[in-house]
Amino acid sequence: DAKTTQPPSMDCAEGRAANLPCNHSTISGNEYVYWYRQIHSQGPQYIIHGLKNNETNEMASLIITEDRKSSTLILPHATLRDTAVYYCIVRVDRTRYQLTFGKGTKLSVIP
Amino acid sequence: DTAVSQTPKYLVTQMGNDKSIKCEQNLGHDTMYWYKQDSKKFLKIMFSYNNKELIINETVPNRFSPKSPDKAHLNLHINSLELGDSAVYFCASRGRGTEAFFGQGTRLTVV
Repeated sequence: DAKTTQPPSMDCAEGRAANLPCNHSTISGNEYVYWYRQIHSQGPQYIIHGLKNNETNEMASLIITEDRKSSTLILPHATLRDTAVYYCIVRVDRTRYQLTFGKGTKLSVIP
Repeated sequence: DTAVSQTPKYLVTQMGNDKSIKCEQNLGHDTMYWYKQDSKKFLKIMFSYNNKELIINETVPNRFSPKSPDKAHLNLHINSLELGDSAVYFCASRGRGTEAFFGQGTRLTVV
């Protein structure tokens, strides 16, 4: 699976959009971009994933650049409960493969 | 109903003891995992089971032995516990084409 690079930490004001970047310049054509988050003292939680088209669900939007070398997770209206570590993971979508977590981005939502 | 449940949530034990952590998923998933999160907060895969068959066994001491009595359960047995085994252990499950669901973690403290 391709490696990812994320900033170690970010701050966001409550109610504003949080934009979390991820670089994955070595991504290959059959690899998906997954985002998970881990709120303090809880297990990781799936947020969203995509291959090349932008995706949106009730939690977030995922914007993938045309060359697929980077992506941005957008939380449209961040709340205090969104404070967590956010992990960007690139992987081939096969049942037997595990998720490999990096260091992630610690997002702090500030009142 | 909790999708992936682990017991116990907290476990404090002395060095040299043998202990088990249980995991159950009610999602009908074929694949289950054990992850370890150390004090530096890195999440590392330990084991992966698919249909009760061991698929991935990362570099983990053989004091750690996963046991899968059926597809819904993946228990972790740890023999001769050491101080360095102190960590949070997460169980997860994944179905074909779905995201992974994580349990709430078991905080193991070896004293």
